[in-house]
Amino acid sequence: DSGVTQTPKHLITATGQRVTLRCSPRSGDLSVYWYQQSLDQGLQFLIQYYNGEERAKGNILERFSAQQFPDLHSELNLSSLELGDSALYFCASSSLAGANNEQFFGPGTRLTVL
Amino acid sequence: GDSVTQMEGPVTLSEEAFLTINCTYTATGYPSLFWYVQYPGEGLQLLLKATKADDKGSNKGFEATYRKETTSFHLEKGSVQVSDSAVYFCALYISNFGNEKLTFGTGTRLTIIP
Repeated sequence: DSGVTQTPKHLITATGQRVTLRCSPRSGDLSVYWYQQSLDQGLQFLIQYYNGEERAKGNILERFSAQQFPDLHSELNLSSLELGDSALYFCASSSLAGANNEQFFGPGTRLTVL
Repeated sequence: GDSVTQMEGPVTLSEEAFLTINCTYTATGYPSLFWYVQYPGEGLQLLLKATKADDKGSNKGFEATYRKETTSFHLEKGSVQVSDSAVYFCALYISNFGNEKLTFGTGTRLTIIP
């Protein structure tokens, strides 16, 4: 158990809908990272927050957004969903800001868009 | 851009066999290199890392040496066990301002048969 929790575990929704994925980092970790894992694209970095502020941005679509709250949990919002958004979404956390520090991954949220 | 290339999987070996999973990288600077492992149904875990040329990372019997001359970071283990069955990801990190992230390879699925 990495100490990172993600909810929900599974999510099934329809095209055009909006969903919110939630992540609670390990106790004391200030950095939260979001990744998308799909069969065709592999593991892609989406975005990082550090202590409430956006720190780095990867291949995140404009339809997606994220935030980190004062209690350090984070949410990833996916809107106008398309079939191609079906994937496993991972959250990871680390104690420091740099992505080269060990990242602890949650178990993921599997999103299925029908 | 920065990228990581891993050997195609899946790889199937018998218990106690020698393992090599190849990883090469392309980077504009001097990256740190990582191997992460994903066991079935779980998130990724850091297996080992190396931060400069000729460094050797090791953990749980796995080893990888950072070879700058061949831009490689191959993962090796002398005698694999059934419990090593997982997906292995090679990754690199470069500290470019505004572009700090882990770049992952596509992953190599390893299955060990008793």
